[in-house]
Amino acid sequence: KAGVTQTPRYLIKTRGQQVTLSCSPISGHRSVSWYQQTPGQGLQFLFEYFSETQRNKGNFPGRFSGRQFSNSRSEMNVSTLELGDSALYLCASRPGPSQETQYFGPGTRLLVL
Amino acid sequence: GENVEQHPSTLSVQEGDSAVIKCTYSDSASNYFPWYKQELGKRPQLIIDIRSNVGEKKDQRIAVTLNKTAKHFSLHITETQPEDSAVYFCAASMTGNQFYFGTGTSLTVIP
Repeated sequence: KAGVTQTPRYLIKTRGQQVTLSCSPISGHRSVSWYQQTPGQGLQFLFEYFSETQRNKGNFPGRFSGRQFSNSRSEMNVSTLELGDSALYLCASRPGPSQETQYFGPGTRLLVL
Repeated sequence: GENVEQHPSTLSVQEGDSAVIKCTYSDSASNYFPWYKQELGKRPQLIIDIRSNVGEKKDQRIAVTLNKTAKHFSLHITETQPEDSAVYFCAASMTGNQFYFGTGTSLTVIP
């Protein structure tokens, strides 16, 4: 099976802009989680979607939002970008929330200038 | 919510020596503890995991131990090799819930 894919891989934006990142899970996986990775902070959970519904949400401001489509592909959006949003954004998929093993995509590296 | 702490943040060992990375968690309801390896510029990859009904699990040169009473778990890598150099993350979760990650340990194996 093809692995988790994310697009774009790299992105440069300026403060105040918005950005949309995309994640395609492994075929058959219906749960997609998003993480922000920054040096020294590790991976911080943003949200998880399953069957087009947000199941869990981390402690991020409302500028961070997401959605999931009927084919399980997911997008996350960040509005009004701030310098501190510069990070590697990773998504991970698993068959469903009760399956523990998740598989990560390669990430989208976002730089906010 | 759950809080996962990971130590040390950096670790250097000579090739052939052992490396140990420790994590503590706060929520006694957590029942699944995976370890991920992330090489530079690559995605995190699961290397080993343990569930709360097991005290130890081994897979060739890597092992994980879990102490539920003390709420800590450790990754042990024996006979380290240069290709073991990477950042290692521990995580904790309760079935059906989100994952909480440690802040990572940068392991360098010196040839």
